[in-house]
Amino acid sequence: SAVISQKPSRDICQRGTSLTIQCQVDSQVTMMFWYRQQPGQSLTLIATANQGSEATYESGFVIDKFPISRPNLTFSTLTVSNMSPEDSSIYLCSVEDRGRATEAFFGQGTRLTVV
Amino acid sequence: QKEVEQDPGPLSVPEGAIVSLNCTYSNSAFQYFMWYRQYSRKGPELLMYTYSSGNKEDGRFTAQVDKSSKYISLFIRDSQPSDSATYLCAMSLFDNNNDMRFGAGTRLTVKP
Repeated sequence: SAVISQKPSRDICQRGTSLTIQCQVDSQVTMMFWYRQQPGQSLTLIATANQGSEATYESGFVIDKFPISRPNLTFSTLTVSNMSPEDSSIYLCSVEDRGRATEAFFGQGTRLTVV
Repeated sequence: QKEVEQDPGPLSVPEGAIVSLNCTYSNSAFQYFMWYRQYSRKGPELLMYTYSSGNKEDGRFTAQVDKSSKYISLFIRDSQPSDSATYLCAMSLFDNNNDMRFGAGTRLTVKP
């Protein structure tokens, strides 16, 4: 099973600023995923990050707001840009072990509060 | 209508009770059905998954899928305080993350 370290675990940020969240995996994985978990709402996929290519964003999410880097097979970052209180949420990274969603692992999440 | 509906609870039961957690869905094409457990301030962890219809048992946990009713359930027997967590259902057409859809999660508390 993959072990995922996500940093920071939580942060309180001023509106208009940006926060970069890091996700480190203890093994090489092809695909990494970034999710948002808003209070009382479903986990929502933001984008899929493959090493060596541009991230693929889901409907409602754009690269200018959520730029993603994937420099190698064990690391990814998600930046939440020009933050507003509506961006307050938990952000999670996830990987598929052996390329299967039925063997997906999640980081512990980053709890973001924008004031 | 949401693709996946899950009662957020909260659900509170005494220790030893049988817990039933449920989700309904609208897309009849879903084939993979998963249950995640999420402890407070932690990421979700996969509990069980089922492909297509039927039941699957793992210790005190049983997952059921009724595709004709578009209804899935997770049963927890002899519930323990350590089972207190939020339980998320998830489902997808294919065995990949790209089209996985999650329920909002049900918060369960098992009281000693």
